[in-house]
Amino acid sequence: EIVLTQSPGTLSLSPGERATLSCRASQSVSSSYLAWYQQKPGQAPRLLIYGASSRATGIPDRFSGSGSGTDFTLTISRLEPEDFAVYYCQQYGSSLFTFGGGTKVEIK
Amino acid sequence: QVQLQESGPGLVKPSETLSLTCTVSGGSISSYYWSWIRQPPGKGLEWIGYIYYSGSTNYNPSLKSRVTISVDTSKNQFSLKLSSVTAADTAVYYCAREPIAAAGTPLYYFDYWGQGTLVTVSS
Repeated sequence: EIVLTQSPGTLSLSPGERATLSCRASQSVSSSYLAWYQQKPGQAPRLLIYGASSRATGIPDRFSGSGSGTDFTLTISRLEPEDFAVYYCQQYGSSLFTFGGGTKVEIK
Repeated sequence: QVQLQESGPGLVKPSETLSLTCTVSGGSISSYYWSWIRQPPGKGLEWIGYIYYSGSTNYNPSLKSRVTISVDTSKNQFSLKLSSVTAADTAVYYCAREPIAAAGTPLYYFDYWGQGTLVTVSS
């Protein structure tokens, strides 16, 4: 099973700042199989990024994904008030989907 | 707009079987993969398993011995059964859609999710 480790656990930033979230895999992941989600309290996760770097429909261009192999990054260029939430990375490998533990982006 | 809605009992007794149904509206259940994913209160996400509209399945090895996912294309629904539940199975259960490429291959991410339903295991 591929384990995804997200860091930091919590990111305290102010609106307008840049957020950089990390997702590290225990073994190499195909970029095609790496996705990012945003989850707000009481809501289902929302797809942000798929294929490591492709934005899902309707996702603002302040969200971007990058990386390959075992290291992937989600960047939010300028935080808007609605971006404060928990973010999860997800991969598919060895016939199994796994998720990272999440990074909470909170208002400083 | 595709919508998914989970339904089923919110309270299940230990050792019994948890049963949930996901109803898909605004689109056909055919030609997609459909998953169940759960989230214990305050914790992260765990994939349970998927079913293809044709009926083929794939389960998380950690739950495989207790999980059955089935599909009813005539009702545009798919279902989850999880047997021998314990308190550790208390979670919000989500159903989700995995899109496919034009060639019919899965794309390995989830683009539509239900709102989730909390299932508590307690006597």
